[in-house]
Amino acid sequence: QVQLQESGPGLVKPSQTLSLTCTVSGGSISSGSYFWSWIRQPAGKGLEWIGRIFTSGDANYNPSLKSRVTLSVDTSRNQFSLKLDSVTAADTAVFYCAREAVVAGGAFDVWGQGTVVTVSS
Amino acid sequence: DIQMTQSPSSVSASVGDRVTITCQASQGLSTWLAWYQQKPGKAPKLLIHGAYNLQSGVPSRFSGIGSGTDFTLTISSLQPEDFATYYCQQSHSFPFTFGPGTKVDIK
Repeated sequence: QVQLQESGPGLVKPSQTLSLTCTVSGGSISSGSYFWSWIRQPAGKGLEWIGRIFTSGDANYNPSLKSRVTLSVDTSRNQFSLKLDSVTAADTAVFYCAREAVVAGGAFDVWGQGTVVTVSS
Repeated sequence: DIQMTQSPSSVSASVGDRVTITCQASQGLSTWLAWYQQKPGKAPKLLIHGAYNLQSGVPSRFSGIGSGTDFTLTISSLQPEDFATYYCQQSHSFPFTFGPGTKVDIK
């Protein structure tokens, strides 16, 4: 079955760029009707959708973050990535990558385990 | 943005109890609504999609109903492994948004 794994630095300095990669295993990122999303969750708080990307490169972003976010996909590596610019302490969170299945009506049916990113000098 | 609210914010229940969680959207969603279960330190797990469709592998004690702006998740007989936080999520419009969560803990 498909599994997702986030990777990237756990500590980022304020004003710098947060970069994370999600590796898809157990299946091709290009197979089926799926979108690939990033979602974050500050400690003790709720879930915030950051954006999603299709393997064509078409992406949708949360307007609250759109000016700072870039999503990309590398089908040859079976990966998709997140870049978040100009981070502040408010960006400290657990970041999840997730698969959105069209057949599931936009629900996220597969999730990575999550990676903690702390913004601090 | 579509705002999602959930009630109650927390509920204390015993094993075997029937638990009902409601989710309300600020705009009509048709049935573009999903429910997730999250345990501490873990990623959310999809329970229900399309308002009432049980995700494969999810026990049948979980059920969902609703359309438009009002939705309900019911656990018919609470099991020890069901103590967790539950979130609803809309996929009707961008940006996708989640409810604030309902924590189900042990009475």
